[in-house]
Amino acid sequence: RKEVEQDPGPFNVPEGATVAFNCTYSNSASQSFFWYRQDCRKEPKLLMSVYSSGNEDGRFTAQLNRASQYISLLIRDSKLSDSATYLCVVNKHSGGYQKVTFGIGTKLQVIP
Amino acid sequence: DGGITQSPKYLFRKEGQNVTLSCEQNLNHDAMYWYRQDPGQGLRLIYYSQIVNDFQKGDIAEGYSVSREKKESFPLTVTSAQKNPTAFYLCASKSAGNQPQHFGDGTRLSIL
Repeated sequence: RKEVEQDPGPFNVPEGATVAFNCTYSNSASQSFFWYRQDCRKEPKLLMSVYSSGNEDGRFTAQLNRASQYISLLIRDSKLSDSATYLCVVNKHSGGYQKVTFGIGTKLQVIP
Repeated sequence: DGGITQSPKYLFRKEGQNVTLSCEQNLNHDAMYWYRQDPGQGLRLIYYSQIVNDFQKGDIAEGYSVSREKKESFPLTVTSAQKNPTAFYLCASKSAGNQPQHFGDGTRLSIL
């Protein structure tokens, strides 16, 4: 089983739709969680951190479910500019080092 | 402005040649990372360094080498032993604790 799993998609949604992505992780000792956005042929950019209490940034809401070991990202009122690949990231301490694991990414295409 | 600078943006390698990719950060981050991304694929970890003069192999270290003589700098050498070097190379850094990584804008390496 992969440490971090994401559905690669693509998710094709119309403008204005609400779309949600999930990401599951295998290690219950994982400590911090993030969502990144990556545009085609560009570097990943931090979208938001993910907390157990849930956090919201405009149209984006991230949630962590430690019991079921998944994180989610909800995008409301999708815009064409939201088209990108969304990467989930899980950090955990391992042997004195902090290990960072990326999911493969979920591709979102918002269509007019 | 604080950030991570990768150079060059594009690099071409001849057969049997070693090439070095530069990564410099002025964020005062302790940890630095190198990733490789192939078209349509996720990020794969090549090497990482948590402190100066110390680095660890990632998942695909064969054919690559690194050094960490200064906190700000983490150059990656792609050696002639790496038979399929064509990819997008990303450098990242992060501070200690449960903090996110920040990325440079990448180097695209191709074989001539």
